Amino acid sequence: AQSVTQLDSQVPVFEEAPVELRCNYSSSVSVYLFWYVQYPNQGLQLLLKYLSGSTLVKGINGFEAEFNKSQTSFHLRKPSVHISDTAEYFCAFEGGGKLIFGQGTELSVKP
Amino acid sequence: NAGVTQTPKFQVLKTGQSMTLQCAQDMNHNSMYWYRQDPGMGLRLIYYSASEGTTDKGEVPNGYNVSRLNKREFSLRLESAAPSQTSVYFCASSETIGQPQHFGDGTRLSIL
Repeated sequence: AQSVTQLDSQVPVFEEAPVELRCNYSSSVSVYLFWYVQYPNQGLQLLLKYLSGSTLVKGINGFEAEFNKSQTSFHLRKPSVHISDTAEYFCAFEGGGKLIFGQGTELSVKP
Repeated sequence: NAGVTQTPKFQVLKTGQSMTLQCAQDMNHNSMYWYRQDPGMGLRLIYYSASEGTTDKGEVPNGYNVSRLNKREFSLRLESAAPSQTSVYFCASSETIGQPQHFGDGTRLSIL
């Protein structure tokens, strides 16, 4: 069965520290992978996407993610976080025309 | 630039009442989707419409119906609301199936 697992439900970090949000997927076919961000009381916004090509993908707000096929992972990273990055982050992959989401990781950036 | 617009933003219903959630997009997208978001469960697909005139079940379709009224609009109906349907509902659209999706701001629905 196709699935997405986000390994951390909550990640607290201090401002200007680096952060990594982990995502693993399970699929027997080629996948398109996405990270979305959800700010409080808002819908989801696309951060970045991997469709093909370079395994290192850069997105908005200084985030990047690396597709690792052998480890079936698509971890999200940022070298220095800001208070404004506090939000919930969702990993997703497109399988059979539908997006399958992970459970979400709540990133909390503290001063 | 409106993008995806959902109405209403908030609604409280009593068990057994019916309700239609409205969604419209102005990006000329072919595909539209309805999700529900519950704590700790991410987003789960209820129904989707790959193109005008077609609709298909997602992961959790029971208790819901949808109508793709035209290319712009995709509504979600609860015929007889149940407390288990208390959730935040999101509509999304994409250029075609498999492309990145654009989301509305959600409808927060409480069923008492």
